[in-house]
Amino acid sequence: GAGVSQSPSNKVTEKGKDVELRCDPISGHTALYWYRQSLGQGLEFLIYFQGNSAPDKSGLPSDRFSAERTGGSVSTLTIQRTQQEDSAVYLCASSLSRRGSTDTQYFGPGTRLTVL
Amino acid sequence: GENVEQHPSTLSVQEGDSAVIKCTYSDSASNYFPWYKQELGKGPQLIIDIRSNVGEKKDQRIAVTLNKTAKHFSLHITETQPEDSAVYFCAASSRGSARQLTFGSGTQLTVLP
Repeated sequence: GAGVSQSPSNKVTEKGKDVELRCDPISGHTALYWYRQSLGQGLEFLIYFQGNSAPDKSGLPSDRFSAERTGGSVSTLTIQRTQQEDSAVYLCASSLSRRGSTDTQYFGPGTRLTVL
Repeated sequence: GENVEQHPSTLSVQEGDSAVIKCTYSDSASNYFPWYKQELGKGPQLIIDIRSNVGEKKDQRIAVTLNKTAKHFSLHITETQPEDSAVYFCAASSRGSARQLTFGSGTQLTVLP
């Protein structure tokens, strides 16, 4: 079946502009995560959505970052007034998130963001 | 919060040899430990995972061991092949509402033909 998809695959923007990154999770997965991967680094947790619950935003680095998930499916990560240090690969993952279990997270291919 | 350390950062082995990557974690409440393989330009792909109720798990050429007392876990790849060349990440997840993964910094594995 279809995996996690993300768009665009690459985004180049100028400092100060806003960007929107999109994630389509695997159908039926109730949990959705956003991570950031800077060049040569591990993955840094940003935000987590679980069903209709309030998202866990504890990983967002600043108030310029926000995310929403509409209808429990597609998610959009928005970065306002982009800075050069925002340049990274932004990865989305989804999981079944069954009650009482830690389920496998499946990752999308990522969006490579370059802020000039 | 959880902290995961991964070693080595780079590893080169001859084709057919074994490769071992080690990780330690700090949060004794962590109970799920996946390993991901990331090829250039792609997202991480799960290759094997282990939960805290077992000490070892094997899948063909790949195995993972977990020592809860010492809070470390390791990935073992036997009979390495050039297509095993990639960046490998370990991760840990603790009980709790978010269950986000805390990742190690990655190991660049190169299998020399």
